[in-house]
Amino acid sequence: QSALTQPASVSGSPGQSITISCTGTSSDVGSYNLVSWYQQHPGKAPKLMIYEGSKRPSGVSNRFSGSKSGNTASLTISGLQAEDEADYYCCSYAGSSTFYVFGTGTKVTVL
Amino acid sequence: QLQLQESGSGLVKPSQTLSLTCAVSGGSISSGGYSWSWIRQPPGKGLEWIGYIYHSGSTYYNPSLKSRVTISVDRSKNQFSLKLSSVTAADTAVYYCARVTSGESFDPWGQGTLVTVSS
Repeated sequence: QSALTQPASVSGSPGQSITISCTGTSSDVGSYNLVSWYQQHPGKAPKLMIYEGSKRPSGVSNRFSGSKSGNTASLTISGLQAEDEADYYCCSYAGSSTFYVFGTGTKVTVL
Repeated sequence: QLQLQESGSGLVKPSQTLSLTCAVSGGSISSGGYSWSWIRQPPGKGLEWIGYIYHSGSTYYNPSLKSRVTISVDRSKNQFSLKLSSVTAADTAVYYCARVTSGESFDPWGQGTLVTVSS
């Protein structure tokens, strides 16, 4: 099972909105509404930001939103802030043989 | 607040077995019907799911690692463990434990522990 495809890097200025794509296949992203997104600052553990494609855990800013269309999921960060600079990973459930597939990761830079 | 903490050997020789434990605090590992997972991240690279142990005790592993992985739980100590046999340099990574929660997502995560495979 190949990793989900994400852009290596995305950048934006403070206050802007950016979108990170996560492209899979009909066996993972396309089959299940079970995509999650994680934020990882350098040297830190990943933090859950979005689950079930578009739901935010308690405590996560509403500047983070998720969506899905076909085999591609997306994470949008609106009102970009310096603290949003981090790596972001998507993950999809992929059925009872493969279980979970992570994305390749995207480095977000705040200009 | 639920917290997870990994511990174990930080240096393992090639061909030997990597052993890690994840201690769960702030809640019981047996409550809530949750599953408990291991995930790793080689230095400078992305995340890879290793496997998880279901609340029933059933285990499920990444097909690419299945022949070498064992995950077990010790409910009396409120912890679960990972064993990875026949390790090579490719198994050098930060190993994280995490709870599998809503929508097949992982939350919270432990802080991670670096395991280096080297002679």
